[in-house]
Amino acid sequence: DAGVIQSPRHEVTEMGQEVTLRCKPISGHNSLFWYRQTMMRGLELLIYFNNNVPIDDSGMPEDRFSAKMPNASFSTLKIQPSEPRDSAVYFCASSLGQGPQPQHFGDGTRLSIL
Amino acid sequence: AQKITQTQPGMFVQEKEAVTLDCTYDTSDPSYGLFWYKQPSSGEMIFLIYQGSYDQQNATEGRYSLNFQKARKSANLVISASQLGDSAMYFCAMREVNTGFQKLVFGTGTRLLVSP
Repeated sequence: DAGVIQSPRHEVTEMGQEVTLRCKPISGHNSLFWYRQTMMRGLELLIYFNNNVPIDDSGMPEDRFSAKMPNASFSTLKIQPSEPRDSAVYFCASSLGQGPQPQHFGDGTRLSIL
Repeated sequence: AQKITQTQPGMFVQEKEAVTLDCTYDTSDPSYGLFWYKQPSSGEMIFLIYQGSYDQQNATEGRYSLNFQKARKSANLVISASQLGDSAMYFCAMREVNTGFQKLVFGTGTRLLVSP
């Protein structure tokens, strides 16, 4: 079975550019999560969706960040305009149901903003 | 207050030995789940084991077991018969079920190094 698929795996871009990260959750999973991992702050939850609806976006750092989930099999995290401090590894994860199900992570996108 | 505390920034163990990675948590929610994830140097996050707050028995998955002490609010990961491939970062995480959210809160991690 395919796991969570993220693209791109690596992204290097200049400050001020728009960055779009993509995620395909595991088929059948109805919860989707975006995390950011940095050395300074560890793993932080940015936003999570349940049945394609954003439930908690309190972790989104600024208005420059936005996330969408237009359907059950696709989500995007967009940064516009990007800044060097946005450099991090961004993970997408998905899980099934409301119960104590584990979240399964994608391989992450390593983002570098120059 | 930290929800998840991992006090060991790094641990060393010899191959074939057992090792315990510590995790304490803080919650007032009676219903919660505890998870351990492994992050090798390649960067992916791999789910290892889960323990529910109402589970009567400690969780086990192959060489991984969870030493769950509810009164002490600890959920230590035990890796038996360590292998070189176990060298990685290990994260403890908690999900509080009754808050209505599905958020996983992570600890700061423990880096495990397995030597030959």
